Amino acid sequence: GQQLNQSPQSMFIQEGEDVSMNCTSSSIFNTWLWYKQDPGEGPVLLIALYKAGELTSNGRLTAQFGITRKDSFLNISASIPSDVGIYFCAGPRSGGYQKVTFGTGTKLQVIP
Amino acid sequence: GAVVSQHPSWVICKSGTSVKIECRSLDFQATTMFWYRQFPKQSLMLMATSNEGSKATYEQGVEKDKFLINHASLTLSTLTVTSAHPEDSSFYICSATGGLGHNYGYTFGSGTRLTVV
Repeated sequence: GQQLNQSPQSMFIQEGEDVSMNCTSSSIFNTWLWYKQDPGEGPVLLIALYKAGELTSNGRLTAQFGITRKDSFLNISASIPSDVGIYFCAGPRSGGYQKVTFGTGTKLQVIP
Repeated sequence: GAVVSQHPSWVICKSGTSVKIECRSLDFQATTMFWYRQFPKQSLMLMATSNEGSKATYEQGVEKDKFLINHASLTLSTLTVTSAHPEDSSFYICSATGGLGHNYGYTFGSGTRLTVV
């Protein structure tokens, strides 16, 4: 089945640093989604990407849809303590356009 | 914006009992709702898709008789964990969409932490 692998699995960074994480798949995706999950909460959509090569920003967050359609990247600039959480990539599953597969997640911890 | 309310936020039950979790869309009509399960330090795994007025479709490996889903109205879906066992302890999250074509940004509830003792 479709699997989304994220790296790194976890990371500790100093407040103010930039962060990069990625998501790769063995299958092609036509849409990439990036979510953030705070502890004990449901995920919240950060950015949605719909076209290969697309680069989209949402405040300090920037995400890119890889041109091969098999990967996506999320960057966070000038990290702050509230950026702490788990970041998931996700993509629509084949055969059911409203179902999505979630990636393995990247846990981000910010040291003040 | 779209809001999905999930209740309860946490529940502890005895092994063998049943637990019902509610998922409500507060300001939109949810034609489709999804139920996920998330074990500690793991990703979200889709359990079932719930469409208003029809039977839910379950993912492979999910027992439909154990996880009963009812989507009786456009704003409410319920998940009942029947005869719960400790291995059913998990974080259950619902999401809802109004089926707006290209919009995959469906909204998630805040989750329900189920602990079976």
